[in-house]
Amino acid sequence: QQQVKQSPQSLIVQKGGISIINCAYENTAFDYFPWYQQFPGKGPALLIAIRPDVSEKKEGRFTISFNKSAKQFSLHIMDSQPGDSATYFCAAVKTGANNLFFGTGTRLTVIP
Amino acid sequence: DAGITQSPRHKVTETGTPVTLRCHQTENHRYMYWYRQDPGHGLRLIHYSYGVKDTDKGEVSDGYSVSRSKTEDFLLTLESATSSQTSVYFCAISESEAGNTIYFGEGSWLTVV
Repeated sequence: QQQVKQSPQSLIVQKGGISIINCAYENTAFDYFPWYQQFPGKGPALLIAIRPDVSEKKEGRFTISFNKSAKQFSLHIMDSQPGDSATYFCAAVKTGANNLFFGTGTRLTVIP
Repeated sequence: DAGITQSPRHKVTETGTPVTLRCHQTENHRYMYWYRQDPGHGLRLIHYSYGVKDTDKGEVSDGYSVSRSKTEDFLLTLESATSSQTSVYFCAISESEAGNTIYFGEGSWLTVV
């Protein structure tokens, strides 16, 4: 059973456009929601993370929107660039636990 | 990549043979993890360690064992490899539990034929 559901599976966006990836979870005990970026042949790298005490977190062109009541969170990439082409994973964990649950990933392609 | 070295990076092995993957860190982090990555599943935790000789199971631990005799090394062993264990294996480290930043290695590609 997938603890974190992620969509879409793949996404193609024009350069300069907005990329949006969505995730949903069921376990209300989760209180830390990171996003990871993975390039081919590399390990995932932390991109940005949020805790449920805020509804939005922004770092540069990357923004997480969090809806606690709907148990959903999303990643927005503004002004998408070809260098953003990668696979993105959302994840969730309960602080103090050690099992970080990942979504199934979204392969983003930004067309020049 | 945060001082994490995985070896081997690529391996092809036969069904039924034992395989050991090694993770070595230079960060002196307390926590170490083994994940496997498969299409349609994302990354799933196999085992983790919270100190020397302290390990615990993750969500997909069947068929795997681990050992940590030194802070810097975390070994993953497939006692008798099966085709379903063909995957990319990632080691990860963190200073504290998973609710904080986890750093991943570059992965070990394992093919069981």
